[in-house]
Amino acid sequence: AQTVTQSQPEMSVQEAETVTLSCTYDTSESNYYLFWYKQPPSRQMILVIRQEAYKQQNATENRFSVNFQKAAKSFSLKISDSQLGDTAMYFCAFMKGQGGSEKLVFGKGTKLTVNP
Amino acid sequence: DAGVIQSPRHEVTEMGQEVTLRCKPISGHNSLFWYRQTMMRGLELLIYFNNNVPIDDSGMPEDRFSAKMPNASFSTLKIQPSEPRDSAVYFCASSLSGGRQPQHFGDGTRLSIL
Repeated sequence: AQTVTQSQPEMSVQEAETVTLSCTYDTSESNYYLFWYKQPPSRQMILVIRQEAYKQQNATENRFSVNFQKAAKSFSLKISDSQLGDTAMYFCAFMKGQGGSEKLVFGKGTKLTVNP
Repeated sequence: DAGVIQSPRHEVTEMGQEVTLRCKPISGHNSLFWYRQTMMRGLELLIYFNNNVPIDDSGMPEDRFSAKMPNASFSTLKIQPSEPRDSAVYFCASSLSGGRQPQHFGDGTRLSIL
């Protein structure tokens, strides 16, 4: 079974600075997808970024980027120029590749606070 | 475009009562997922459907829980009888299967069983 571990229950960062959230996972699959979701206090689950395991290039979305290290089974999220609106829970999630279950396996989350 | 629509947003009921949560997926999406979020266990998949057919219900806790998807635009999650330990936030999500497209989540239903 796949597991996802987020080792930082809470983090804080000053506005405009950069912060990196850690995620590791365990799988025997060779083809899979990784995601970061954001959950602000409003409770919505919002997709931040998606990475396909067979792609070596790290995904980026504006101020959000990932450092995907397949051999190390590591998938960290970097947030640049942090904004107050980035305050939220961040969840790392794993999904098997084509032919496998479509379910997302989530980590326990990291609570990020951006301070003014 | 309308996102995933869940109702009710909040539900408070007494132990032993039947609870029905509802979900309307994004039009055109053919996979639908029910997740439960608690402090202790985090986010867990309960069940998911593909083309209205249940594919994986291994996360359904026990026989008190049941889910249906009678058509492509509607799904229900029912708990009967409800217990205090069922208190949680229940999310519905939908996606277009194939290519591992991202799942889009509804706003969730916060369920409190007294």
